Amino acid sequence: DTAVSQTPKYLVTQMGNDKSIKCEQNLGHDTMYWYKQDSKKFLKIMFSYNNKELIINETVPNRFSPKSPDKAHLNLHINSLELGDSAVYFCASSQYGKTQYFGPGTRLLVL
Amino acid sequence: GENVEQHPSTLSVQEGDSAVIKCTYSDSASNYFPWYKQELGKRPQLIIDIRSNVGEKKDQRIAVTLNKTAKHFSLHITETQPEDSAVYFCAAVSGTYKYIFGTGTRLKVLA
Repeated sequence: DTAVSQTPKYLVTQMGNDKSIKCEQNLGHDTMYWYKQDSKKFLKIMFSYNNKELIINETVPNRFSPKSPDKAHLNLHINSLELGDSAVYFCASSQYGKTQYFGPGTRLLVL
Repeated sequence: GENVEQHPSTLSVQEGDSAVIKCTYSDSASNYFPWYKQELGKRPQLIIDIRSNVGEKKDQRIAVTLNKTAKHFSLHITETQPEDSAVYFCAAVSGTYKYIFGTGTRLKVLA
């Protein structure tokens, strides 16, 4: 009965590769988010979708592309991975104006 | 742009003492202020929140206060226990979707 789930949990890859992270929520929320948490623990919002529509698109390299096939899913595709992309990526979801719930995180390490 | 300042960045207290973490926000339209606790290797989880029409809220050993005029809000933890050790994040939310997180406070409760 996991509320917000992400796959994979860990991702180790070489520079230059392309990878995807998937997120699913079963809370019936209408809004989903991607955050990047670096080694200093800063939580930086990257994207947000509301009812499959992109509503927040922060200053993020265009190598990062989110996709929301439906309200319950938000995926993140990263092209040409760089060392600086190493971080923990959290998905989150919320209902209109209410509390955000985070997924367990995907630990990405680029070698 | 919008930002949330959070202090201190690290805080060590003796078990049983109180801990206070302070945040200041810049966007006067902010109307919702959640606090998240993130234990090592885990996801951020909501511990308490407050809306702009309330000045204080308590839940057992934790409380949050809000001063809208000064754009300050604070988290108070009383009778701290070792399991309170974690990173704590404040956030300010304006409109419906965008959370602006503080930079986090690493709390250590010394037994």
